[in-house]
Amino acid sequence: DSGVTQTPKHLITATGQRVTLRCSPRSGDLSVYWYQQSLDQGLQFLIQYYNGEERAKGNILERFSAQQFPDLHSELNLSSLELGDSALYFCASSVEGLAAYNEQFFGPGTRLTVL
Amino acid sequence: QQQVKQSPQSLIVQKGGIPIINCAYENTAFDYFPWYQQFPGKGPALLIAIRPDVSEKKEGRFTISFNKSAKQFSLHIMDSQPGDSATYFCAAGDRGSTLGRLYFGRGTQLTVWP
Repeated sequence: DSGVTQTPKHLITATGQRVTLRCSPRSGDLSVYWYQQSLDQGLQFLIQYYNGEERAKGNILERFSAQQFPDLHSELNLSSLELGDSALYFCASSVEGLAAYNEQFFGPGTRLTVL
Repeated sequence: QQQVKQSPQSLIVQKGGIPIINCAYENTAFDYFPWYQQFPGKGPALLIAIRPDVSEKKEGRFTISFNKSAKQFSLHIMDSQPGDSATYFCAAGDRGSTLGRLYFGRGTQLTVWP
C-alpha cells in the first residue's frame, strides 16, 4: 500500500458526461501528479500540482482540468467525455523536498469506461 | 515526442533467466532514472533508481546499468522468478527544470515461465 488513495475505483459513464476523480496524497507529500494509462499510449503525464499551485502540464486536453485543495487532496475533472477517454487514471504524490529525488508513490488508479 | 524510449515491448523468459530491459534518452539534463514495476490492477511502484554519477546500482536481484555517454540505461533481473512477471517502466527526470516531473517509457511486459 503506497499511502495514496484514489476514488472511485471504477467509473462507467456515457459520452458527453462529466466526471470527477479524487486523490489523497501520502501524509506529508506536497506534490500531486495525474497520469493517464491506456494500452496504446502507455503512462502519459497529465498535470502536476505542488502545494495548491499548478507546476507542470503535460498532455492534458482542454476538456480536462484539475486542482489541489488546501488539505492537499486533488481532483481531476473530465468533461465532454469521449470513447477515447476510457483509460486508467493514476494519481501519484511525492515529497518534493530539496534533498528528494522525486520518488513518486502511485495510487491504485481509477478505471474510467466511457460507453 | 517520446523523451524516453524503452525496449522491448514484451519479453518472455524462463525461470532463472536474466531479462534485460533497455531505455534511451536524449535530454542531457536528466539526473534521475527510476524503474517502476506494475502488477495487473495495481499502480506502478518504485523498484530501483539511479543517478548519473554512478554506472551501476544493485538492489537484491535487480540491477541498473547506466551509460551516461550513450544516454542509455538498462534493468537486469537476476535469477528471474514467476513472481517477477509484471510490466516494467523506465523513467527519467530533471529536478532542475521540470521540478519533479518524470518522463516514462512505454513499458515492457515481462513474463517469466516456471
